[in-house]
Amino acid sequence: GESVGLHLPTLSVQEGDNSIINCAYSNSASDYFIWYKQESGKGPQFIIDIRSNMDKRQGQRVTVLLNKTVKHLSLQIAATQPGDSAVYFCAERGAGTASKLTFGTGTRLQVTL
Amino acid sequence: NAGVTQTPKFRVLKTGQSMTLLCAQDMNHEYMYWYRQDPGMGLRLIHYSVGEGTTAKGEVPDGYNVSRLKKQNFLLGLESAAPSQTSVYFCASTKDSIGYGYTFGSGTRLTVV
Repeated sequence: GESVGLHLPTLSVQEGDNSIINCAYSNSASDYFIWYKQESGKGPQFIIDIRSNMDKRQGQRVTVLLNKTVKHLSLQIAATQPGDSAVYFCAERGAGTASKLTFGTGTRLQVTL
Repeated sequence: NAGVTQTPKFRVLKTGQSMTLLCAQDMNHEYMYWYRQDPGMGLRLIHYSVGEGTTAKGEVPDGYNVSRLKKQNFLLGLESAAPSQTSVYFCASTKDSIGYGYTFGSGTRLTVV
């Protein structure tokens, strides 16, 4: 079936360094991808999204890269801060699936001082 | 503008009891979703609705029922709670099938003993 997975369950980075969180997806028909941040006890918070007709999108301190050839998605966080510590999820939307999102299992980002 | 509101935030049930979780959105979104999140796992889709009066099964629908009598409300019911339904439940909504924004509620933490 369709699945979205992550390579690393936990990522530890030093404050000020750049973070890269990866995600593999299997549904080549997915048309839209989203990265969410989830802090303890809270709901998923939108970070950045990208449509399948793009390969890169930048936000404030974050960049999402989409490589459709190898079905890979990544989230880059520049100058990682302690407030970035959270679990990050990628999600994909399959085309024609009532906009249902399929989530990966999540990567915990730990920012050390 | 409240976005997506979930009630209650916490609940403890005994095995066999029933309850209803309420999700309300004030953004006039057509599509609404119920997800559950278990430790170490991403969000899994329980049921969803593409408009008032419609519902459909997601990935893990067993043991749950839903209703969408009003566009702004999406109810998730547990008829006979089981310990396996201990989880955190999230509601989400999006405008339509080509919408590019999803809004999540803050979650309901349910424990079944």
